[in-house]
Amino acid sequence: DIVMTQSPLSLPVTPGEPASISCRSSQSLLFNNRSNYLDWYLQRPGQPPQLLIYLGSYRASGVPDRFSGSGSGTDFTLKISRVEAEDVGFFYCMQDLETPWTFGQGTKVEIQ
Amino acid sequence: QVQLVQSGAEVKKPGASVKVSCKASGYTFTVYYIHWVRQAPGQGLEWMGWMNSKSGGTKYAQKFQGRVTMTRDTSINTAFMEVSSLTSDDTAVYYCARGGPDFWSGLGIDPWGQGSLVTVSS
Repeated sequence: DIVMTQSPLSLPVTPGEPASISCRSSQSLLFNNRSNYLDWYLQRPGQPPQLLIYLGSYRASGVPDRFSGSGSGTDFTLKISRVEAEDVGFFYCMQDLETPWTFGQGTKVEIQ
Repeated sequence: QVQLVQSGAEVKKPGASVKVSCKASGYTFTVYYIHWVRQAPGQGLEWMGWMNSKSGGTKYAQKFQGRVTMTRDTSINTAFMEVSSLTSDDTAVYYCARGGPDFWSGLGIDPWGQGSLVTVSS
């Protein structure tokens, strides 16, 4: 199975400031030298997860442009340009290249 | 709007089975795959498998092979997931979520149902 490792696991943030989360996979998620099969999800408290980013860098419909995804191969980053209060919760990366699809451990983002 | 509405919470005894439903609306049900993901209390997300809503074909994570069955009823736009031989380790919130039009699309899974809490306790 592909192992996904996120860091940090806890991230205190200040509204208005930038933040970033790293995700590393145990094998390359690049397919056909074109697409990285890596998604990012946000799970707000008491809510189901929602898709933020797919194929490494494409924002899902309705996702604010303060969220951006980058990286390729085995190293990926989610960046929030200016954190807002509604961004608290757990962020997960997930690979959908090979079954079983696997998630990172999650990064807890909270306002400090 | 695209929506997935799941069945309510269940309490089951060890060794029993549970069947969770997931009713889709706002899109053509048979075009998109349905995925199931679970989350144990205070834990992260665990992908269980997918189902081709048109053909009924399935792919389960090895961990759940032989114990999980994913089905659908296209006449009522509803997917089902049954887990048998329950143990306390199966206590979790079970989510259904819409995938892409094929399992290799890389489009992620979204939206998600609200979740169904399954508690296994003697």
